[in-house]
Amino acid sequence: AQSVAQPEDQVNVAEGNPLTVKCTYSVSGNPYLFWYVQYPNRGLQFLLKYITGDNLVKGSYGFEAEFNKSQTSFHLKKPSALVSDSALYFCAVRDDTGRRALTFGSGTRLQVQP
Amino acid sequence: ETGVTQSPTHLIKTRGQQVTLRCSSQSGHNTVSWYQQALGQGPQFIFQYYREEKNGRGNFPPRFSGLQFPNYSSELNVNALELDDSALYLCASSLEGQGSVQYFGPGTRLTVL
Repeated sequence: AQSVAQPEDQVNVAEGNPLTVKCTYSVSGNPYLFWYVQYPNRGLQFLLKYITGDNLVKGSYGFEAEFNKSQTSFHLKKPSALVSDSALYFCAVRDDTGRRALTFGSGTRLQVQP
Repeated sequence: ETGVTQSPTHLIKTRGQQVTLRCSSQSGHNTVSWYQQALGQGPQFIFQYYREEKNGRGNFPPRFSGLQFPNYSSELNVNALELDDSALYLCASSLEGQGSVQYFGPGTRLTVL
């Protein structure tokens, strides 16, 4: 069975500072990894994905994520946080064995203070 | 905007009733997935349809059923509603492929009283 862990319920960061939202995963085959963001009363918006290739993936709104196979991690990062980045962030995984469902973590609330 | 639409936006039902939720996928997408997001949790996979055929199911009871139409829109039906069915129901469309991205609609908020 595949699983995702987001160990922090909430991350607080000051505007302009770098941010990191942590994610670790477990899958049987090779992982396909995704980050989504959710604003209040909205659906999920896709930020970025890792399929294969470079371990550093760049996505929307200045976000990037680093894939680390040995640590089974896929942490989301941004060099300089904005107040508008405050939202709920979800990490998700699917494997390459044919199962198409995404397995999501429990989410991390990012709060960026002015 | 993802081009994925869901209706209705909000719905209030009572225990034991039945509900149908609808989803229109993004143009060109042939796969629809449904997820349940309870308050304070991540989305949980219900099932997926690919070209009108069910392509996987999560750990949900049989009273959760669905279908996909020739135009790739989809319905989620829930019978015999229970209080725990209160949640945000999310539909996601994608173009089938291992690395494909699922694009989500805004969701339907279901409240069961």
